[in-house]
Amino acid sequence: EVHLAESGGGLVKPGGSLRLSCAASGFICSNAWMSWVRQAPGKGLEWVGRIKSKSDGGTTDYAAPVKGRFTISRDDSKNTLYLQMNSLKAEDTAVYYCTTVNRGAAEYWGQGTLVTVSS
Amino acid sequence: QSVLTQPPSVSGAPGQRVTISCTGTISNIGAGYDVHWYQQVPGTPPKLLIYGNSNRPSGVPDRFSGSKSGTSASLAISGLQAEDEADYYCQSYYSGLSGYVFGTGTKVTVL
Repeated sequence: EVHLAESGGGLVKPGGSLRLSCAASGFICSNAWMSWVRQAPGKGLEWVGRIKSKSDGGTTDYAAPVKGRFTISRDDSKNTLYLQMNSLKAEDTAVYYCTTVNRGAAEYWGQGTLVTVSS
Repeated sequence: QSVLTQPPSVSGAPGQRVTISCTGTISNIGAGYDVHWYQQVPGTPPKLLIYGNSNRPSGVPDRFSGSKSGTSASLAISGLQAEDEADYYCQSYYSGLSGYVFGTGTKVTVL
């Protein structure tokens, strides 16, 4: 059974940094494309970014609001996906979900981790 | 700001059929990119409901169906049940942004 577990969320001041982790199990993580999706309180879903499998180049793409501030990486030896978030803003406050990506669809989702950016 | 537009809400009585539209542009749905649909019950993560425009993952009831035409897509729920009350989102790829985009979301209420 596929299981994704995010961690690392919390309260951070504007301009600060935070690194989220997503531990994966139940599938061959190294073969999977992965993504991060966020949801601000009471709002809709927003795609954050995606990383391809290493065999497909391991490249990343990001949504415009986070480009240059957020970095997605992966450690397939640990079956773990990361989201490094720098220069955080109040508008980055959201629940962050990691997902597997299969033919463009977010197939499996974790439970999410809450990031709150506030002074 | 999403580039995929959905109606904010739809409602129906138990047993009825409701449809949710997802309107895009020639840079996303109209460019031939697949549309996927998600169901999110409040307080829980989203769940993949339809992938590749019209395919249901294992375990999704056949009451849910998807279609795509031109720059739009639709999700239909037939035989509406109380447990279908949730938020629904469409999603596709947007070549202009080199990334994925979600729809604005639709709240389905069972009367």
